[in-house]
Amino acid sequence: DSGVTQTPKHLITATGQRVTLRCSPRSGDLSVYWYQQSLDQGLQFLIQYYNGEERAKGNILERFSAQQFPDLHSELNLSSLELGDSALYFCASSVVSHGELFFGEGSRLTVL
Amino acid sequence: AQTVTQSQPEMSVQEAETVTLSCTYDTSESDYYLFWYKQPPSRQMILVIRQEAYKQQNATENRFSVNFQKAAKSFSLKISDSQLGDAAMYFCAYRSAGGATNKLIFGTGTLLAVQP
Repeated sequence: DSGVTQTPKHLITATGQRVTLRCSPRSGDLSVYWYQQSLDQGLQFLIQYYNGEERAKGNILERFSAQQFPDLHSELNLSSLELGDSALYFCASSVVSHGELFFGEGSRLTVL
Repeated sequence: AQTVTQSQPEMSVQEAETVTLSCTYDTSESDYYLFWYKQPPSRQMILVIRQEAYKQQNATENRFSVNFQKAAKSFSLKISDSQLGDAAMYFCAYRSAGGATNKLIFGTGTLLAVQP
């Protein structure tokens, strides 16, 4: 158990819909990262938050947005969903001064 | 920008044998971290081993060890006494030690099969 909690674990929805993925980081970790892993692909960095503020942005679509709340949990919002958005979405957290990221179990999104 | 390359899409090893997974990276930075993550069929991302660039000594975690060649920008993972539970996708990853962001940059992965 990494200490990072993601909900929901599985989500099935239709094209054009909007979903919200939630992440609770490890206790004490101020940084939250979101990654997308499409089928049989590597992990693509989407966005990073640090203590409520956006710190870095990767290959995140304009239809996607995220935020980190005062209690440090984070939400990734995906809207106008397309078939190609089907993927495993990982949240990770870290203590910025240390090296490794700790990953949640991921949220598997299926868009039909 | 930093890049991570894993040139072996798939590898196979016999149980109890040793296997080495390759990873190269490109960076102009002098201070960084390198990692190997394991992703079993459950899809959970599990940290296997980490290496700080400023350390010359190669990291070791039980049956897992690395060969870190900073000048060659090479970071290979050796798995000794392979077990069936080692079967997984293995990702090499790079992370800057400084700067505003500490995101992980991943390679494309190597799928390791362990034959009984």
